[in-house]
Amino acid sequence: RKEVEQDPGPFNVPEGATVAFNCTYSNSASQSFFWYRQDCRKEPKLLMSVYSSGNEDGRFTAQLNRASQYISLLIRDSKLSDSATYLCVVKRDNDYKLSFGAGTTVTVRA
Amino acid sequence: EPEVTQTPSHQVTQMGQEVILRCVPISNHLYFYWYRQILGQKVEFLVSFYNNEISEKSEIFDDQFSVERPDGSNFTLKIRSTKLEDSAMYFCASRSGQGTLSGANVLTFGAGSRLTVL
Repeated sequence: RKEVEQDPGPFNVPEGATVAFNCTYSNSASQSFFWYRQDCRKEPKLLMSVYSSGNEDGRFTAQLNRASQYISLLIRDSKLSDSATYLCVVKRDNDYKLSFGAGTTVTVRA
Repeated sequence: EPEVTQTPSHQVTQMGQEVILRCVPISNHLYFYWYRQILGQKVEFLVSFYNNEISEKSEIFDDQFSVERPDGSNFTLKIRSTKLEDSAMYFCASRSGQGTLSGANVLTFGAGSRLTVL
């Protein structure tokens, strides 16, 4: 089983729509969780950290479900500029590395 | 905003040649990383570096690869004898390792060095 798995998509949504997708992780010792955004041929950039109680940053909401070992990202009122690949990133407490999922592609159309 | 800088942005080399990719991590960060991304594929961990030594490395990071922090600011990745399959975007990243759990573990990436091996 892969360490971090994501639905690759693509999710094609109209402007203003809500889109949500999940990421599963295999190791229950994982402690830190993040969503990164990557635009084509650019570096990954932090979108938001994911906290145990769930957290919101503007139109973006992240949730963590430790029992089922997944995190989710919900984007409300999608904008054209939200078109990107969203990367799920997980770190185990005793590891140095952060592990990346393969990414979920979101395309917002006018 | 502090940033990670990488040079060169693009390097073209012949198979078998040595390549050195350079990075300047964020100045007060303690943990340094190299990741790579082959076109169309996922971001893959290569190596982490802490306290002047390799702290973790992946299976990809074989004897052809080495890292160095020659002074207080630069962090380099050397590929001794490049292969065609080394063609990829190489990202340097750093994190502070200090403060809150999530804050300490946030990776900041450089813009990447695109390596093309012919």
